[in-house]
Amino acid sequence: AQSVTQPDIHITVSEGASLELRCNYSYGATPYLFWYVQSPGQGLQLLLKYFSGDTLVQGIKGFEAEFKRSQSSFNLRKPSVHWSDAAEYFCAVGANYGQNFVFGPGTRLSVLP
Amino acid sequence: GAVVSQHPSWVICKSGTSVKIECRSLDFQATTMFWYRQFPKQSLMLMATSNEGSKATYEQGVEKDKFLINHASLTLSTLTVTSAHPEDSSFYICSAAENLGFPDTQYFGPGTRLTVL
Repeated sequence: AQSVTQPDIHITVSEGASLELRCNYSYGATPYLFWYVQSPGQGLQLLLKYFSGDTLVQGIKGFEAEFKRSQSSFNLRKPSVHWSDAAEYFCAVGANYGQNFVFGPGTRLSVLP
Repeated sequence: GAVVSQHPSWVICKSGTSVKIECRSLDFQATTMFWYRQFPKQSLMLMATSNEGSKATYEQGVEKDKFLINHASLTLSTLTVTSAHPEDSSFYICSAAENLGFPDTQYFGPGTRLTVL
């Protein structure tokens, strides 16, 4: 069965600093990988997704993620964090929606002014 | 982009009462909707998959008689928590997938905070 780990429960960065959120997965085949952001009062929003092709994926809000098969990782990065990026971030892996779609435990990002 | 709404956004009820939560896809049709439960500081756990016009498929450990799901149309699914108890207090989130199939994006509602006193 597939699984997702996000080693960092909570990360604090200063505004303007770079960011990397880690995601590791376990999956039997080529995975479909996703990053979502959850802000209070708003639904989970898809930041980016990887299905195939270029392993460096560009997303919305200046985020990018790199798929590394050898490390079973799909880390999320942003070169310069904004205060509005403070939120909960979830990595997910799946072969389909529903039962075969698994979320990681999430990483809470705090941004210092 | 596609929008999924949930109503109410929060609800407080007394133990033993039932609560209905609505999930609507506002600008697209969703053959399939999903219901998740999220405990504080935890990830989303799938409760059930709801298909329009048929019975929902519940995940192992989810009581289908307690969490009644109805998907009457391509834009509306409801979750009714029957005889709610304090342990049912949680954040309930729905999502809807467009009909084109995976891996098309699934869209999430903003969630409903249920507190049972």
